[in-house]
Amino acid sequence: AQSVAQPEDQVNVAEGNPLTVKCTYSVSGNPYLFWYVQYPNRGLQFLLKYITGDNLVKGSYGFEAEFNKSQTSFHLKKPSALVSDSALYFCAVSPRDNYGQNFVFGPGTRLSVLP
Amino acid sequence: DAGVIQSPRHEVTEMGQEVTLRCKPISGHDYLFWYRQTMMRGLELLIYFNNNVPIDDSGMPEDRFSAKMPNASFSTLKIQPSEPRDSAVYFCASSLAWLDEQYFGPGTRLTVT
Repeated sequence: AQSVAQPEDQVNVAEGNPLTVKCTYSVSGNPYLFWYVQYPNRGLQFLLKYITGDNLVKGSYGFEAEFNKSQTSFHLKKPSALVSDSALYFCAVSPRDNYGQNFVFGPGTRLSVLP
Repeated sequence: DAGVIQSPRHEVTEMGQEVTLRCKPISGHDYLFWYRQTMMRGLELLIYFNNNVPIDDSGMPEDRFSAKMPNASFSTLKIQPSEPRDSAVYFCASSLAWLDEQYFGPGTRLTVT
């Protein structure tokens, strides 16, 4: 069965500094990988996904993520953090076929961007 | 499109009562997902539908939980009887295809006393 780990419960970064939110995964075969963001009292919003091709994926709000197959990682990054980026971030993995396995979300990482 | 619509937004009920949560997916989306979010367990996939047919309900915690999708524009998640440990935020999400991004509703905050 697939699984997702987000090793940091909380990430603090100063506004204007680069940010990284880490994600590692375990899945049989090739994965589809996703990042979602959740603001307080809201549903999750899609940020970006990796399907195939270029390992660097660009998404919404200036976020990007790098797929590293050898390290089974899909870390979320942004060159310059904004206070408005403060939210809960979820990494998710899905197998490429939908037989017997489902989407799995990580536990979430709370990002705080300090002014 | 108005996005995924869920009702009610908040529900407070007493233990033993029946609870019905409702969801209207985005028009044209073939997949509908029900999730539960708690502090202890995070975000859990309960069940998902493809073209109104339940595909996998292995995440449904107990027989007290049931979900239906009578047509492409409506789904319900029912808990009968409800228990305090069912207190959580329940999200509905829909997507065009299996590996497309999911669009989440605002959630229903359920409190069972």
